[in-house]
Amino acid sequence: DAKTTQPPSMDCAEGRAANLPCNHSTISGNEYVYWYRQIHSQGPQYIIHGLKNNETNEMASLIITEDRKSSTLILPHATLRDTAVYYCIDDYGQNFVFGPGTRLSVLP
Amino acid sequence: DGGITQSPKYLFRKEGQNVTLSCEQNLNHDAMYWYRQDPGQGLRLIYYSQIVNDFQKGDIAEGYSVSREKKESFPLTVTSAQKNPTAFYLCASSINGGDTEAFFGQGTRLTVV
Repeated sequence: DAKTTQPPSMDCAEGRAANLPCNHSTISGNEYVYWYRQIHSQGPQYIIHGLKNNETNEMASLIITEDRKSSTLILPHATLRDTAVYYCIDDYGQNFVFGPGTRLSVLP
Repeated sequence: DGGITQSPKYLFRKEGQNVTLSCEQNLNHDAMYWYRQDPGQGLRLIYYSQIVNDFQKGDIAEGYSVSREKKESFPLTVTSAQKNPTAFYLCASSINGGDTEAFFGQGTRLTVV
């Protein structure tokens, strides 16, 4: 079973930042926080991952709290193409277990 | 191009028949995974393999079987014992251990009639 909890759905206006939260209440010290997204009927796409520090890449930023019990994925300027289901996972890269995710709808 | 390939994209089978889904990767990854996804649901882990000739059951292994005879291949057989086989099946691969992401194929949609 998934170890993370996420809101089932969120809306965001096009061009605004989308902030997607995730709770990792049982994360252990060597487990990473991963974020993926899935556009309808496609395979999940890797977005970003981190251990303790905040991370940024060309797609998104990842903010991890100091106690590592929660994280936030930030899409700085959401576009319509960012509409997807977003999954957060905490794992040691062994057997990625997905929860139901957050369905993000970017609205024009 | 490097990547992970699932074939076919759509597959139809009659009830009671076994069917094997293909998954091939040329990323030189040690670990491979099979997931099942039902409409409106998240991914559920069926089987995973961290090394050739070894694999472990995931959360929903009943009615499925796998083999890992080659590093680049991890076929999944959906047997007649699987009561609700119609689903979207996803294969993934990764380097073993932490600080590594999984790469996914584009999936096979299996319909059993």
